Amino acid sequence: ELKVEQNPLFLSMQEGKNYTIYCNYSTTSDRLYWYRQDPGKSLESLFVLLSNGAVKQEGRLMASLDTKARLSTLHITAAVHDLSATYFCAVRTGGSQGNLIFGKGTKLSVKP
Amino acid sequence: ETGVTQSPTHLIKTRGQQVTLRCSSQSGHNTVSWYQQALGQGPQFIFQYYREEENGRGNFPPRFSGLQFPNYSSELNVNALELDDSALYLCASSLAAGQGPYGYTFGSGTRLTVV
Repeated sequence: ELKVEQNPLFLSMQEGKNYTIYCNYSTTSDRLYWYRQDPGKSLESLFVLLSNGAVKQEGRLMASLDTKARLSTLHITAAVHDLSATYFCAVRTGGSQGNLIFGKGTKLSVKP
Repeated sequence: ETGVTQSPTHLIKTRGQQVTLRCSSQSGHNTVSWYQQALGQGPQFIFQYYREEENGRGNFPPRFSGLQFPNYSSELNVNALELDDSALYLCASSLAAGQGPYGYTFGSGTRLTVV
């Protein structure tokens, strides 16, 4: 059974600081997704990582994937208050079904 | 290109009642998945429909059922509502098995409260 673990679950940062969120998964998968969720809102797609060594960047966020270690990271550079949200990683199960298994999420709070 | 539309946005039901939630998939997508997100948790997979057939199901009881229509829109039905069914229900559309570079597009969700 595919399991996805994120850490930390809660993260309080000061503006301008850097930090990394980690996402480990238990069995092989060919796709990993990062989503952002604001309180009471739906999931906003941030990154889709398709292959080993993939790195994608958008603004202050950078995601990477190491399929051999079954690890993805979401790095935050020079955090700003607008990045405060909950961040989820999700891994696609294999085969024709292809549904997503989500981590529990990392609640990020960026303070001035 | 339209996104994923869900209705209603909010719903309050009494324990034991039945509810139907609706989802219109993104243009060009033929697969719809439903997820339940309890407060403070990650979304949990309920089931997935591809070409009007259920082709995957998570660990949810049979009182959770669904349909997909020829235009790829979908319904989620929940019978005999329980208090623990209170959650945000998310619909996601995609090409089959999440193919394509963007994977899954999520709707804005339906917030169901069971009292």
